[in-house]
Amino acid sequence: AQSVTQPDIHITVSEGASLELRCNYSYGATPYLFWYVQSPGQGLQLLLKYFSGDTLVQGIKGFEAEFKRSQSSFNLRKPSVHWSDAAEYFCAFFRDTGRRALTFGSGTRLQVQP
Amino acid sequence: DAGVIQSPRHEVTEMGQEVTLRCKPISGHNSLFWYRQTMMRGLELLIYFNNNVPIDDSGMPEDRFSAKMPNASFSTLKIQPSEPRDSAVYFCASSQDDRVGYTFGSGTRLTVV
Repeated sequence: AQSVTQPDIHITVSEGASLELRCNYSYGATPYLFWYVQSPGQGLQLLLKYFSGDTLVQGIKGFEAEFKRSQSSFNLRKPSVHWSDAAEYFCAFFRDTGRRALTFGSGTRLQVQP
Repeated sequence: DAGVIQSPRHEVTEMGQEVTLRCKPISGHNSLFWYRQTMMRGLELLIYFNNNVPIDDSGMPEDRFSAKMPNASFSTLKIQPSEPRDSAVYFCASSQDDRVGYTFGSGTRLTVV
């Protein structure tokens, strides 16, 4: 089935450390890919998106993601994590054709240690 | 812009009662989406509208759920009768262009007792 998979349910990093959250997609062509963040009790906020062009995309709050077709991945990275980054992160995609609504991964909860 | 506005923020109701959730999308956005978030199932698309017309309601769990969008600035999601398993956070989102992404509301936390 066409989907996105987030293999890590929960990740803990120390403040100031680097971060990489994994996202793998299953789709024959190039999907439209997104990363969203959800703080406790809040809605989802768009961090960044990819649908064509440069495979390294920059987003808000210092996040970036790299699209790797060979690995069917779209991993989210940040060089130095801040305590305020603690939240749940969702990878999402939709196909260019057919059902045009975002399908979300199961999410990765990030905890930041002082 | 005030963003996507959902009401109420919290709703506690008894099993069997009717529940209506409301959403005001961002002005100028022509697509509106209803999602449900639970621990077990994550974020699920229930239904989405384009230019006030329902496009895909295949995610609506059963006939107890219905959604309307009478105009470009208002949508409702109704559950009648409600059941405890409907307890979840319901999000509304709107979009002007899919490739830009969606703007989500703050959600309605529904508890059915």
